[in-house]
Amino acid sequence: AQSVTQLGSHVSVSEGALVLLRCNYSSSVPPYLFWYVQYPNQGLQLLLKYTSAATLVKGINGFEAEFKKSETSFHLTKPSAHMSDAAEYFCAVSENSNYKLTFGKGTLLTVNP
Amino acid sequence: NAGVTQTPKFQVLKTGQSMTLQCAQDMNHEYMSWYRQDPGMGLRLIHYSVGAGITDQGEVPNGYNVSRSTTEDFPLRLLSAAPSQTSVYFCASSSNQLYGYTFGSGTRLTVV
Repeated sequence: AQSVTQLGSHVSVSEGALVLLRCNYSSSVPPYLFWYVQYPNQGLQLLLKYTSAATLVKGINGFEAEFKKSETSFHLTKPSAHMSDAAEYFCAVSENSNYKLTFGKGTLLTVNP
Repeated sequence: NAGVTQTPKFQVLKTGQSMTLQCAQDMNHEYMSWYRQDPGMGLRLIHYSVGAGITDQGEVPNGYNVSRSTTEDFPLRLLSAAPSQTSVYFCASSSNQLYGYTFGSGTRLTVV
């Protein structure tokens, strides 16, 4: 069975600082991995995805994530935080044998001026 | 291109009432799903469909019913609403896992 663990329900950074949001997954087969962002009172927007091509994936708004099979991780990073990055971020996994998407519990990112 | 459209955006129900949350997509996606979002719980899969006439249960299906008579529509029915079903409900669709999933803007449901 597939599962996702997001370490840290709340991360706070200063504007201009590095953003690091952690995600570890469990999957019995090669996974597809996703990061979604949710702004207040909105739906989910796809940030980036890993689908077994390049292990370093670049997404929108300057975010990127690296798939590390040995660590079963898919951490999300951004070199320099902007106030507009404040949102909740969700890591999700699906096994390439099915379409079911399993989400982590989310990490709320706060950016301080 | 409308994407995934959910109606209504807000709803208040009394315990025991029934209602249908509507979801429609105009992208000809075969795969559609319903999630509920609760604070600190992330999103949990309720039901999903891999095509017209095919549905299956997700992680938290109890108290909900679905059907898929067309590719475009995937309504979620609450049979007898309970306060535990107070949540934000999201519908999502996809044509292929490689492209990710498109989400609707959600329905905020309160059961009193």
